[in-house]
Amino acid sequence: QSALTQPPSASGSPGQSVTISCTGTNSDVGGYNYVSWYQQHPGKAPKLMIYEVSQRPSGVPDRFSGSKSGNTASLTVSGLQAEDEADYYCSSYAGSNNYVFGTGTKVTVL
Amino acid sequence: QVQLQESGPGLVMPSQTLSLTCTVSGGSISSGYYYWSWIRQPPGKGLEWIGYIYYSGNTYYNPSLKSRVTISVDTSRSQFSLKLSSVTAADTAVYYCARSKLYDFFDPWGQGTLVTVSS
Repeated sequence: QSALTQPPSASGSPGQSVTISCTGTNSDVGGYNYVSWYQQHPGKAPKLMIYEVSQRPSGVPDRFSGSKSGNTASLTVSGLQAEDEADYYCSSYAGSNNYVFGTGTKVTVL
Repeated sequence: QVQLQESGPGLVMPSQTLSLTCTVSGGSISSGYYYWSWIRQPPGKGLEWIGYIYYSGNTYYNPSLKSRVTISVDTSRSQFSLKLSSVTAADTAVYYCARSKLYDFFDPWGQGTLVTVSS
């Protein structure tokens, strides 16, 4: 099972939007609506930001949104803030009780 | 709210077995809704799901690690454990435990523990 493909980096100025893609296959992203996104600050554990493609857990700002088209899922951060600077990872159920993560994207707030 | 905490040796010799324990507090490990996962992250690299266990003892492992991994649960102590055998330097990573909703997400996570494989 190969890792899902994410761009290594993305950036935007405060107040702007940034979108991160997560590309898989019909066996993972395209086959299930079980895509989740995690934010990880340096030296910290990942934090759940989006689950089931577009659902936000309680406490996550509505500036974070998710979507999916075919084998590609996306995370959009609107109204960028300094604290959004972090690494972001997608994850997908891959069938047969197996899970795959993305390669990770470093978001920089300019 | 549920909290998870990893514990175990930070240094393991090559070819030996890595052993870690995750202690769950603030909630029941026997909750029927959740599985209990181990996930690792080599320094400077991405995340890899290792496997998970249900409170009844049912286990599922990443096929790429299945031959070397054993996950067990002790509900009386609210703990679940990871054993990874025949380790090499490639197994050096921060190891996280996390609560998992079946097929779905990982939340919350423990703070992680760095395990280095070196002689």
